[in-house]
Amino acid sequence: EVQLLESGGGLVQPGVSLRLSCAVSGFTFSSYAMTWVRQAPGKGLEWVSAIVASGGATDYADSVKGRFTISRDNSKNTLFLQISSLRVEDTAVYYCAKRRYHSYGDLDYWGQGTLVTVSS
Amino acid sequence: EIVMTQSPATLSVSPGERATLSCRASQSVGSNLAWYQQKPGQAPRLLIYGASTRATDIPASFSGSGSGTEFTLTISSLQSEDFAVYYCHQYNDWPLTFGGGTKVEIE
Repeated sequence: EVQLLESGGGLVQPGVSLRLSCAVSGFTFSSYAMTWVRQAPGKGLEWVSAIVASGGATDYADSVKGRFTISRDNSKNTLFLQISSLRVEDTAVYYCAKRRYHSYGDLDYWGQGTLVTVSS
Repeated sequence: EIVMTQSPATLSVSPGERATLSCRASQSVGSNLAWYQQKPGQAPRLLIYGASTRATDIPASFSGSGSGTEFTLTISSLQSEDFAVYYCHQYNDWPLTFGGGTKVEIE
């Protein structure tokens, strides 16, 4: 059974940094691209970042470029999202999702999400 | 950026009736279009990928069609568990983008 479990969210003040993790099981993690998608309270889905299976290429939404860093540890079946200089508008549930192929594709499995609340 | 526009924003349907949801892309995405279902407090779930292929364990009551810029998700006979928000998503080009969602509610 495919499972993705996010962690690392919480209530933080503006300007601080946070690292989100996504531990996966049930599939060969090193063979698939991964993404982060976020959802602000009561709003729709917003793609944040993506990384190919090898970790050799990444991409970011303009809204987070320069502040967010996606990475992965294929030996530990874990995806990360390093978030710096947090802003109030980064408040959202952050989902990790598996892509169908090694470098592209739809999002065929999702975690349950971790809530990041940025407030002073 | 490819803008995905979903219509209507809200669809009121009676159980057992048919629901038709639309998604339009601002430029062609080929068949690289997916549909997701999201219920309150839950993560999105993949329903359709490649514009028309049902994902694993998705019932045949769900069907997708279209290519290029115009796409449709049809739910042939709404069950109580189908009332949710539905999102379309293009994965043809960077940045990946989602539609704003269609909420299917009980009439």
